[in-house]
Amino acid sequence: DIQMTQSPSSLPASLGDRVTITCRASQDIGNYLRWFQQKPGKSPRLMIYGATNLAAGVPSRFSGSRSGSDYSLTINSLESEDMAIYYCLQHNEYPLTFGSGTKLEIK
Amino acid sequence: EVKLEESGGGLVQPGMSVKLSCATSGFTFSDYWMEWVRQAPGKGLEWVAEIRNKANNYATYYGKSVKGRFTISRDDSKSIVYLQVNSIRSEDTGIYYCTRRYNSWGQGVMVTVSS
Repeated sequence: DIQMTQSPSSLPASLGDRVTITCRASQDIGNYLRWFQQKPGKSPRLMIYGATNLAAGVPSRFSGSRSGSDYSLTINSLESEDMAIYYCLQHNEYPLTFGSGTKLEIK
Repeated sequence: EVKLEESGGGLVQPGMSVKLSCATSGFTFSDYWMEWVRQAPGKGLEWVAEIRNKANNYATYYGKSVKGRFTISRDDSKSIVYLQVNSIRSEDTGIYYCTRRYNSWGQGVMVTVSS
């Protein structure tokens, strides 16, 4: 199975900061990588698909990138509404696998 | 507007079965692959199962921890996707979400396994 190693697990940050969350794939997954945001008590929300494409309605301060087997989600100019847990998902090979999550919180 | 609404959860005894349903509306259900994702209390997301559409022979795929016990199915005439859960275990406790290609999600249904 493909392992998605997500880091950090917790990320304290200040409003206005630029933050980056990373998932490393244990095998090649191409660009079959999605990022999700989940707020407490809510369903996940798709933020990025195809590793770099912004989902509909997602603010432009969010972006996705890839460097080899490392996939990153970057948020520029952090806003209070961005405080949530973020997960990556590889959908290149079954079984699909999620990263363990990154909790983004106010410093 | 795309809507997904799960139902069928609740308290289930270990070893028993439960069938979850996800009623959908607002899109052509038969065109889409559908999925179930779950989340244990206080834990991360876990991919559970996927069912493809008729054009893809209704192929199904499962996560390792549920393979052989869970069955995903669909009724295109009713726009509903199901998850049959057999031989349920305590570690199956959690919120079960249905999704449409991970773009749209239901609100989730809680399944608690306890005697």
